[in-house]
Amino acid sequence: NAGVTQTPKFRVLKTGQSMTLLCAQDMNHEYMYWYRQDPGMGLRLIHYSVGEGTTAKGEVPDGYNVSRLKKQNFLLGLESAAPSQTSVYFCASSYSLTYNEQFFGPGTRLTVL
Amino acid sequence: GENVEQHPSTLSVQEGDSAVIKCTYSDSASNYFPWYKQELGKRPQLIIDIRSNVGEKKDQRIAVTLNKTAKHFSLHITETQPEDSAVYFCAARGLSGGYNKLIFGAGTRLAVHP
Repeated sequence: NAGVTQTPKFRVLKTGQSMTLLCAQDMNHEYMYWYRQDPGMGLRLIHYSVGEGTTAKGEVPDGYNVSRLKKQNFLLGLESAAPSQTSVYFCASSYSLTYNEQFFGPGTRLTVL
Repeated sequence: GENVEQHPSTLSVQEGDSAVIKCTYSDSASNYFPWYKQELGKRPQLIIDIRSNVGEKKDQRIAVTLNKTAKHFSLHITETQPEDSAVYFCAARGLSGGYNKLIFGAGTRLAVHP
């Protein structure tokens, strides 16, 4: 049981490049989330999904897109990376509204030059 | 929009002392308040949570209290140990749209000195 996994762990991009971050969970969770973590700002929700085929915007969605084609996977895309998107990205999942604990992945450190 | 404020941003204590971290939330409909601990370079992990129908919850050396009227909740760590050194995040579940969204505070960096 791997829990929540993320790939890649580290990535360096140049401004304007694109990339996709992959999150996978093997706990059969309905809900999945993407956060970014910046110093002094805690965890801010980018996008989330309440089930396969659904996505919704969080607090800071601009510049990102997501897809949830399979229940176990949640992809975060950057179409044209900007230095302001340099951050640590965490994926999380939770079972349902009733069982609230969110389980986090190990994070992806992204640097945009 | 929903907001969670957390204080202090940094906290330094001597081993064996108590530590208290406080959070306030804006959404009066929030009904779930977890606390996460994040060690350096690691992922956040849940350490304790409380629901709005409970005023206090304890788990060994940690406890959380909730004051719904004032819309604030606190984390209490007693008999602190060096391994308690980490960043702690409070959160409140926002019910906007009925979904399980957590709004996080900015974090408190706790340093426990031997």
